[in-house]
Amino acid sequence: AQTVTQSQPEMSVQEAETVTLSCTYDTSESDYYLFWYKQPPSRQMILVIRQEAYKQQNATENRFSVNFQKAAKSFSLKISDSQLGDAAMYFCAYEWTSGSRLTFGEGTQLTVNP
Amino acid sequence: KAGVTQTPRYLIKTRGQQVTLSCSPISGHRSVSWYQQTPGQGLQFLFEYFSETQRNKGNFPGRFSGRQFSNSRSEMNVSTLELGDSALYLCASSPGNRVRSTEAFFGQGTRLTVV
Repeated sequence: AQTVTQSQPEMSVQEAETVTLSCTYDTSESDYYLFWYKQPPSRQMILVIRQEAYKQQNATENRFSVNFQKAAKSFSLKISDSQLGDAAMYFCAYEWTSGSRLTFGEGTQLTVNP
Repeated sequence: KAGVTQTPRYLIKTRGQQVTLSCSPISGHRSVSWYQQTPGQGLQFLFEYFSETQRNKGNFPGRFSGRQFSNSRSEMNVSTLELGDSALYLCASSPGNRVRSTEAFFGQGTRLTVV
């Protein structure tokens, strides 16, 4: 069974600084997708960034980028120039290519200090 | 384009009762997945419906069931409610064609409290 682990229950960062959230996963599949979702206090899950395992290039979305290490089964999220609106719970998630279920990590609560 | 709509937003039920939650996906999306979120267990997959058929199922007891209608709207039912069923129930909508992974769009959830 696939598992996703986020070892940092809480993280904090100063506004305008950079923070990295960690995620590791376990799978025997070679083709899959990895995601970072953000859940603000409104509770609605919002996709931040997606990485396809067959792509070697790390995904980037504006201030958000990932460091995808397939051999190490590591998928970290870097948030640059942190903003107050980035404060939320962040979930790392895995999806097998031909499945439609997301397996989530435990989440990391990010606080952004002004 | 309207987003994923879940109703009701909040619900309080008594142990032993049953409850039905509703999810209207994004227009054109044929897959609806349900997740349970609790502080202790985190986010867990319940089941997925595609074209009115359950296509995938998580590890939950038979008290949890669902269905999908021809317009892709989905309902989730929990019978004989237990205190441990108190949770945020999230619905996710996607095209569901499985040719390639596509973004799942989530609703704002239904907060169920069992007393």
